[in-house]
Amino acid sequence: DTAVSQTPKYLVTQMGNDKSIKCEQNLGHDTMYWYKQDSKKFLKIMFSYNNKELIINETVPNRFSPKSPDKAHLNLHINSLELGDSAVYFCASSQGGQGSGYTFGSGTRLTVV
Amino acid sequence: AQSVTQPDIHITVSEGASLELRCNYSYGATPYLFWYVQSPGQGLQLLLKYFSGDTLVQGIKGFEAEFKRSQSSFNLRKPSVHWSDAAEYFCAVGANSGGYQKVTFGTGTKLQVIP
Repeated sequence: DTAVSQTPKYLVTQMGNDKSIKCEQNLGHDTMYWYKQDSKKFLKIMFSYNNKELIINETVPNRFSPKSPDKAHLNLHINSLELGDSAVYFCASSQGGQGSGYTFGSGTRLTVV
Repeated sequence: AQSVTQPDIHITVSEGASLELRCNYSYGATPYLFWYVQSPGQGLQLLLKYFSGDTLVQGIKGFEAEFKRSQSSFNLRKPSVHWSDAAEYFCAVGANSGGYQKVTFGTGTKLQVIP
């Protein structure tokens, strides 16, 4: 059983389209995250939810909208895709508390053409 | 705000040789510190973590890291590298953000292992 699963694994789309990435964790964790990894492997946090409540919202264009229907799911919807959105998007989860470490999904490689 | 510096972008070691990957952090209070490994096409896997207690931390896959407060460092070590250790390694610092944990990652060190 995959602990943190993301779909799709690959996504190729044209500029201007709207797309969604889904994430599910079966670890019973309270907190979930979206990170963006650029072509230089730099990881930057985008959003974090704790029990469906948004707790971290970094400086991200409002074309990006996260949604957490329950604490096991965190989806990312992106409107009006741009070339610069091309990256690998990682979902992660952790069990609340400080210092607990993250469990990452295997990533979604988004390519905007 | 916290930050992490990994000064080595790329390191090459021979199989069987020892390894040390450097990490320096900046944070006003006692940080949570982590090392993660990312194999090609995969997500990140937690190797080890530190918050308090013994400053030498043991992790998975034979890795260890030592916290040195005076040097603001948390270097990762392995006595004998295996070819399967070739991957990207990320140091990270966790800090309190409104009662929750916010983790900032370094830029990564790519490890190449030669036979």
